[in-house]
Amino acid sequence: ETGVTQSPTHLIKTRGQQVTLRCSSQSGHNTVSWYQQALGQGPQFIFQYYREEENGRGNFPPRFSGLQFPNYSSELNVNALELDDSALYLCASSLDGSHEQYFGPGTRLTVT
Amino acid sequence: DQQVKQNSPSLSVQEGRISILNCDYTNSMFDYFLWYKKYPAEGPTFLISISSIKDKNEDGRFTVFLNKSAKHLSLHIVPSQPGDSAVYFCAASVGPGGTSYGKLTFGQGTILTVHP
Repeated sequence: ETGVTQSPTHLIKTRGQQVTLRCSSQSGHNTVSWYQQALGQGPQFIFQYYREEENGRGNFPPRFSGLQFPNYSSELNVNALELDDSALYLCASSLDGSHEQYFGPGTRLTVT
Repeated sequence: DQQVKQNSPSLSVQEGRISILNCDYTNSMFDYFLWYKKYPAEGPTFLISISSIKDKNEDGRFTVFLNKSAKHLSLHIVPSQPGDSAVYFCAASVGPGGTSYGKLTFGQGTILTVHP
């Protein structure tokens, strides 16, 4: 059974740029959720994708957007990067949107 | 609006003793609770969960207790081992049918250090 993988591991971008983060879900899982974890804080829910449709969104602006593909992998896109977007971005997969979610190792984004 | 709170930023215990990590929540719609463990440079790892219809769930050395009237849950680790040293996050979710089903709300985390 393959776990959740994310790429890249680390990324440095400049304010105003755009970034795309990628996630492959655990085999058999059809739901992907994205979380942002700022330093010293718990993960904060960004949005969830279920069968290629957005299925709920947290308190994040529209410049945070996503996609889910037929193989259930997913992308998180952030436009017009701000310094406060610097964080660890975590992807989690689950079956049918269940509570028990399995996380990838995360992508560390630094915005300068 | 911090709906899930872990008021202790850190906890230090001796190997072999009990570790008790606490979590409080304010949203009465939450009915499913989870504990995750996180090592540096890794994603959170699911540990144990509990539904609001129960007040206790046990899995090996890990036991979670839920007090719905107090909106409080705790994770007990007995006996504690040095390998348990990590950040522990409490998370909550609403049940099936709720619009927030499957969207986890996390606490800020508690750093547990188990000394040999």
